[in-house]
Amino acid sequence: DIVMTQSPDSLAVSLGERATINCKSSQSVLNSSNNKNCLLWYQQKPGQPPRLLIYWASTRESGVPDRFSGSGSGTDFTLTINSLQAEDVAVYYCHQCYSPPYTFGQGTKLEI
Amino acid sequence: EVHLVESGGGLVQPGGSLRLSCAASGFTFSSHWMHWVRQAPGGGLVWVSQIETDGTRTSYADSVRGRFTISRDNAKNTLYLQMDSLRADDTAVYYCGRFASGTFFWGQGTLVIVSS
Repeated sequence: DIVMTQSPDSLAVSLGERATINCKSSQSVLNSSNNKNCLLWYQQKPGQPPRLLIYWASTRESGVPDRFSGSGSGTDFTLTINSLQAEDVAVYYCHQCYSPPYTFGQGTKLEI
Repeated sequence: EVHLVESGGGLVQPGGSLRLSCAASGFTFSSHWMHWVRQAPGGGLVWVSQIETDGTRTSYADSVRGRFTISRDNAKNTLYLQMDSLRADDTAVYYCGRFASGTFFWGQGTLVIVSS
């Protein structure tokens, strides 16, 4: 199984500042058929389902503010949130869709 | 607009069974792999199972293999999760999801509580 490890577990950032969340996979999630990393990022607020932010490691989902960006390849990935807003307080998860079981990171709690 | 609506959750005793349903609309259900994930109270997201478009191929997490069965009815645009031999650690919100072109869309979830 691919183990997804996020860091840090929690993060406190001031309004208007940048938040950076890392995700490391125990093996590459690069899909050789399309040369894309099968890695997603979600935002989850209490009582809500996960909301997709980023797919293919760096493609922003429609409707997601451009202050959210994803980067990385192979086994190391980063979610960056620029100009942090109050509504960005949530738990963030990375998720590999390369091979079953399609494992998630443990989550990173972002606070102001 | 894509809609996924889960139902069938509730309180069940250990060792009991429950069948979850996920009604899909707003897309061609029969063209997409479908998934279930779950989230225990206060916990993280855990992938549970997937099913291919025509239902012939399925995969399961080790923790549920042999106890849970995923299936689908493409004529009814509905995904199912039959859960047998339920244990306390199966207590969670269960979300169904559509996989499409590298993306996932998740429903609102249904709560399953396994307790005596």
